[in-house]
Amino acid sequence: AQTVTQSQPEMSVQEAETVTLSCTYDTSENNYYLFWYKQPPSRQMILVIRQEAYKQQNATENRFSVNFQKAAKSFSLKISDSQLGDTAMYFCAFTQRDFQGAQKLVFGQGTRLTINP
Amino acid sequence: DAGVTQSPTHLIKTRGQQVTLRCSPKSGHDTVSWYQQALGQGPQFIFQYYEEEERQRGNFPDRFSGHQFPNYSSELNVNALLLGDSALYLCASNLFRGTYNEQFFGPGTRLTVL
Repeated sequence: AQTVTQSQPEMSVQEAETVTLSCTYDTSENNYYLFWYKQPPSRQMILVIRQEAYKQQNATENRFSVNFQKAAKSFSLKISDSQLGDTAMYFCAFTQRDFQGAQKLVFGQGTRLTINP
Repeated sequence: DAGVTQSPTHLIKTRGQQVTLRCSPKSGHDTVSWYQQALGQGPQFIFQYYEEEERQRGNFPDRFSGHQFPNYSSELNVNALLLGDSALYLCASNLFRGTYNEQFFGPGTRLTVL
């Protein structure tokens, strides 16, 4: 069974600072996808960034980037130039890559990130 | 382009009652998954529907059941409600053989069991 662990329940930084959220996962699969989702107080889960395990290059989306270490099964999220709107719960998630169809998402426990003015 | 919609937004029930939650997938999607998110926790997978059949199921009792309609919308039914069923119920949709298995989430239904 796959598991996802986020070891930082809460983090807090000042606006414009850089913050890194940690995530580790456990799987025996070789082909899979990893995601970071953001859940603001409005509750809507929003995809921040995705990483395909078979790609060595780390994914980047504007101010968001990941550090994907496949051998270490580590998938951290870096937020640069943090903004007040980045305040939210962040969830790391894993899904198996399956050509037969979609698979379930396995989520970590979440990290509550607060950006202070 | 309409995203994933869920109804109702909030619901209050008492122990032993039954509840039905509804979800309409994002336009063009054919697969619906349901997740339970307890307060302060990550979402837990309940089940997934494709072609009107339950395709995968998480570790939830038979009190949790679902249905998918020909228009791809879905219902989640919970019988004999327990206090522990109080949670945010999230619906997610995707294209069954789409790239990245990316799932799009609705805003959720907050269920409170008294």
